[in-house]
Amino acid sequence: AQKVTQAQTEISVVEKEDVTLDCVYETRDTTYYLFWYKQPPSGELVFLIRRNSFDEQNEISGRYSWNFQKSTSSFNFTITASQVVDSAVYFCALSEAQGGGKLIFGQGTELSVKP
Amino acid sequence: GAGVSQSPSNKVTEKGKDVELRCDPISGHTALYWYRQSLGQGLEFLIYFQGNSAPDKSGLPSDRFSAERTGGSVSTLTIQRTQQEDSAVYLCASSLELSLAKNIQYFGAGTRLSVL
Repeated sequence: AQKVTQAQTEISVVEKEDVTLDCVYETRDTTYYLFWYKQPPSGELVFLIRRNSFDEQNEISGRYSWNFQKSTSSFNFTITASQVVDSAVYFCALSEAQGGGKLIFGQGTELSVKP
Repeated sequence: GAGVSQSPSNKVTEKGKDVELRCDPISGHTALYWYRQSLGQGLEFLIYFQGNSAPDKSGLPSDRFSAERTGGSVSTLTIQRTQQEDSAVYLCASSLELSLAKNIQYFGAGTRLSVL
């Protein structure tokens, strides 16, 4: 069965610290996509990144980087030099080839960055 | 509009009443999704549309929930005889296409439903 696990419910860091948000997934499909979304206090889910199951290259976008490892079924997200504006709930999600594109979300990790 | 628009942003209703939630997707997006976000259940899929048809209604929690989409655009999620456990934020998302390769879902701000 498909499942996404974000074991860290809450993380608190001080500004400028690096922080990694963990995501582990389960799927039987060989073709799937993984996503990260950010939900700031305003409530709207903001798309951050999408990776497909055939592309294990790590990706960097500014202070954000993502590490996709099929061997451990993980898709971890690292924020370098965190800022107060990074405070939000972050969701990892899975979309399978057979699922019509529907997203299966993890429970989310609430990140609090303190000044 | 530029983004996914949902209305109302907040809805307070009495138990037993019917409610309608509206979603206006990004122009040109053929796929539309409804999700529910609640404290106990997290973010859960409800239903999706490809054009006006809904191939997968598996996420609807009960037969009190229904949804339709007309003209391949606006969608309405209806909850009949609301119960307190229906209280949640209902999120709508749209994507260019259903196919995974072109499926990035962009979300609206949601409708916060409170059933008293």
